[in-house]
Amino acid sequence: GQQLNQSPQSMFIQEGEDVSMNCTSSSIFNTWLWYKQDPGEGPVLLIALYKAGELTSNGRLTAQFGITRKDSFLNISASIPSDVGIYFCAGQLSGGSNYKLTFGKGTLLTVNP
Amino acid sequence: DADVTQTPRNRITKTGKRIMLECSQTKGHDRMYWYRQDPGLGLRLIYYSFDVKDINKGEISDGYSVSRQAQAKFSLSLESAIPNQTALYFCAAGQAGSPQHFGDGTRLSIL
Repeated sequence: GQQLNQSPQSMFIQEGEDVSMNCTSSSIFNTWLWYKQDPGEGPVLLIALYKAGELTSNGRLTAQFGITRKDSFLNISASIPSDVGIYFCAGQLSGGSNYKLTFGKGTLLTVNP
Repeated sequence: DADVTQTPRNRITKTGKRIMLECSQTKGHDRMYWYRQDPGLGLRLIYYSFDVKDINKGEISDGYSVSRQAQAKFSLSLESAIPNQTALYFCAAGQAGSPQHFGDGTRLSIL
């Protein structure tokens, strides 16, 4: 089956620093999604990408859908303490079943004030 | 969001017991999903449903069953719980072509 490699597994940064994380796949996706999970809560959608090469921002977050359709990155600028959490990438295929969402294993972000 | 509500939020039970986890959504989405989250493994799909009475197996359906008797409700059952089913369980809902939205999860511990 498809696999997503998400890196890094964890990051420890100082408040104010920029952060970058990425996902790569062994096969192509039609959609890339980035979610954030806070402790005790479910994943919350941050950014959705639907087109190869697309670059989308949501406040201090920027994500790109790789031109090969096999990768995506998420950048967080000027990190703040509430950015702490686990960030997941997810790739989705469209087609007959149009359901398949494959998740990366997550990046644990810690921000030191 | 899709206003996905899961009950209970926490459950501790014993090996061999039957357990049901409930999920409801208020946005009228057609599609509902159950995932399991384990540390270091991310989210893995257990079952999904595209409509009432439609049930499909995901990656790890063994030991689980589901019921979708109403559009807004999708329940997950463990017929005879075993300790390696201890995990965080998430329900999600969405429409075709749109991202899935998640509930806040059920933390299940099986002793």
